[in-house]
Parts: sequence; structure tokens; C-alpha cells
Amino acid sequence: GENVEQHPSTLSVQEGDSAVIKCTYSDSASNYFPWYKQELGKGPQLIIDIRSNVGEKKDQRIAVTLNKTAKHFSLHITETQPEDSAVYFCAASTTYYGNNRLAFGKGNQVVVIP
Amino acid sequence: DVKVTQSSRYLVKRTGEKVFLECVQDMDHENMFWYRQDPGLGLRLIYFSYDVKMKEKGDIPEGYSVSREKKERFSLILESASTNQTSMYLCASSLTGTSKETQYFGPGTRLLVL
Repeated sequence: GENVEQHPSTLSVQEGDSAVIKCTYSDSASNYFPWYKQELGKGPQLIIDIRSNVGEKKDQRIAVTLNKTAKHFSLHITETQPEDSAVYFCAASTTYYGNNRLAFGKGNQVVVIP
Repeated sequence: DVKVTQSSRYLVKRTGEKVFLECVQDMDHENMFWYRQDPGLGLRLIYFSYDVKMKEKGDIPEGYSVSREKKERFSLILESASTNQTSMYLCASSLTGTSKETQYFGPGTRLLVL
């Protein structure tokens, strides 16, 4: 099955700097790659996603890039703010008997230092 | 907005008890999922369901069962709770079909088994 690896496990950045989280996946058939943000005491919330026919997608201060050849995708957060502190999960969509399921990375703790 | 609710935010049970975790979604989603989240291990899929009365094992089904009698409700059952089932349990739902893989999560149930 699909295996998603996420690096680094913890990332500390100064407020205003950029943060980058990288994920790799194993199944070349995966075609959908969402990123989730989980704040303390809450469930994961989708923040951005990308499909395999697109190389980059932006939404205000966040962006995701996808390299299908290398099978890796990254989340970029610019001008980080304290409210960006959270756990971020990447995922890749796999197909199970014609139905979709997501394989998640182990998560990355981002700490924005004021 | 999609809303996924879970019956309890916190639950304390004793070893050997039968435990029911309930999840309800209000957006007519076909697919529902149960994950457990543990530090350093990310989100691991326990069971999922693509339709009423249908269920599929995920990556870690041992010690769990599920029930989906109605489209909007997906229950996770711990037949005989054990201490190694102490964890955060997350429910999610999604639509079926291409470009509809996004999963929406509930707030989670933190279960402590003594």
C-alpha cells in the first residue's frame, strides 16, 4: 500500500520567516495530496490540496508544490504568524477496490516563535 | 459547511468494558472513517465504510469493530477495552467520486482506558 513519509518531525521558526514541510510518497498512482492542520484539542482541518495534474497551488500565505517524478510534495508557509503553530499532516490518496482512502504522514509540529 | 460530530470529547473506561464511540455527519457523505492518533505515529486507519451496512478493515482493525446502520452515523466499538487502546479517536467523512477525496474530520474523542 501507499507509504507517506514526512520530514522534519518538528520545526521551529521565527515569526515572519518561512516554513517548509516535505513529504514523500511511494505509490506512483496516487493523484491527490491534501494538507491538514491540527490545532490543540481539535480535529485536523484541510488547509490546501493539490492534484497530480498541477505542479503548484497557492492560497494566500500557503502553497503546495508537487514533483511527480521524484514522488514528493511540500507545504510552504510564508510570513509565519503565531497562529500557524500547529501539527501539520500530509496525505496521499490511494484507491482501494475502486474507492478512495488517504494514507497520512506522521505529522509535523510547527512552532512559530514570536 | 460540513459538520462531523463525535459523541464525546473525553471518555474514561475500565479494562474489559465495552465502549461505543459515535460519529455523525450532516452532509450526506457516502464514506466514513475511523482513525486513531498517537504521538509519533500519526493517523492510522482502523475501519472505513463506503455505504450503509458496509465496512472494510483499515490498517489496525484488531480489537475493534464498527457499525453503520444509517448513512449519517458510523460507530466504533471496542468489544473489551484494553489499556493499549488509550488514544485519540478521530472520525472523518467524504464523498465518493473523482475530485471528491477530501475527508472532513470531527473534533476527536480522547479515550483513557484504566
